[in-house]
Order: sequence, then C-alpha cells, then structure tokens
Amino acid sequence: GENVEQHPSTLSVQEGDSAVIKCTYSDSASNYFPWYKQELGKRPQLIIDIRSNVGEKKDQRIAVTLNKTAKHFSLHITETQPEDSAVYFCAASSGGANNLFFGTGTRLTVIP
Amino acid sequence: NAGVMQNPRHLVRRRGQEARLRCSPMKGHSHVYWYRQLPEEGLKFMVYLQKENIIDESGMPKERFSAEFPKEGPSILRIQQVVRGDSAAYFCASSPVVQGNTEAFFGQGTRLTVV
Repeated sequence: GENVEQHPSTLSVQEGDSAVIKCTYSDSASNYFPWYKQELGKRPQLIIDIRSNVGEKKDQRIAVTLNKTAKHFSLHITETQPEDSAVYFCAASSGGANNLFFGTGTRLTVIP
Repeated sequence: NAGVMQNPRHLVRRRGQEARLRCSPMKGHSHVYWYRQLPEEGLKFMVYLQKENIIDESGMPKERFSAEFPKEGPSILRIQQVVRGDSAAYFCASSPVVQGNTEAFFGQGTRLTVV
C-alpha cells in the first residue's frame, strides 16, 4: 500500500518569511496530491492540489511542486501571515478520494 | 449547500457503551469516507461507502466497528463496546460521482471521548 511521509512535524517561521513542507510517497501509481489545512478543532480543508500531469501549481501565496521521478511533492507558502498557523497535511491517492493516504501533519506557527 | 454535516460534535461514552456517529454528505454527493484522527496524528482512512454498499473497509478494525450508508438518511459509524483507545476525532468526508480524482470535503468531525 501507499506510505506517505511528511517533514518537518513542526515548523516556526517569522511573519513574512516562507515556509516549505515536504512529503514523499511510495506508490508510483499515485497521481493525485492534495494539501489540507486544519486549524485547531476544525475540519481539514483543501487548500491546493496537484495532479501527476503537471509539475507545479500556484494559487496566490501557495504553491505545490511535484517530482514524480523522485516521488516527492512540496508545499510552499510565501509571505506567511499569522493566520497561516495551522496543521498542514499532505496526501496521495491513486484512485480518487477513497484512496487518500495522509501524511502525519506539520504544525506551522507563524510568529508575528 | 450546507456542506458535510456530522453529529454529534462531541460524544462522551463510558467503556463498554456504544457510540453512533452520523454523517450527512454534501448535497449531490454519493460517496462517503470515514477517517480517524488520533491526537497529534494524521488522518487514517477507515471505510469508503456508497449508498447501500461498502466499497472499501480495509481501514476498519475487524471487531466492534461497523459502518453503513442506507438508501435514506445519513451514514452511520458504529463502535460497540468502546474502549479508551477509541477516543479520537472521527471525520467524515464526501465526494461527488465524477470520473477520476476528486476533492474530498470534510465535515467538522465528532470528538469521541471514552471515560
């Protein structure tokens, strides 16, 4: 089965700096890679996703890169703000939403 | 569209009791997934259901846990004879009937505490 590893488990950055979270996956059949943000006590919410036919996707301050050969993908947040503080989960899937395998999460703290 | 609705939000059960967690998917979604999240951990897939069918239950513990998604009404995750280790947040997600990969929309979760 798929195994998704996520690093780091905690990350603190100064407001305005960039944050990078990295994930690796094991199943070469995986072709969908979403990122979820979960604020304390709330539901995970999709913030960006990427499919295997592209190498990079950007949405304002958030970007995701995918290296299929190396089986890793990364989340980049630029110009971080305190409201970016949350736990971020990466996931990989080969068969749609029913086959989502999540990483263990990264707790991001943006220091004002 | 009210989104994925889960209830209750918080549930306290004594050891040995039964816990019933409910999930109403988003309107138009016929795929439901249940995930468990232990404190400080990621989301673990438990079961995938469509109306009246269990499609994939590879993440469900073999005993005490069951799930259903009837033709009418919400999906139910049932935990019988709960133990302390069942304490966790249980999230339900739903997705529409579409080809290929699609986003899973999560509910607010039910936080189960076994005392």
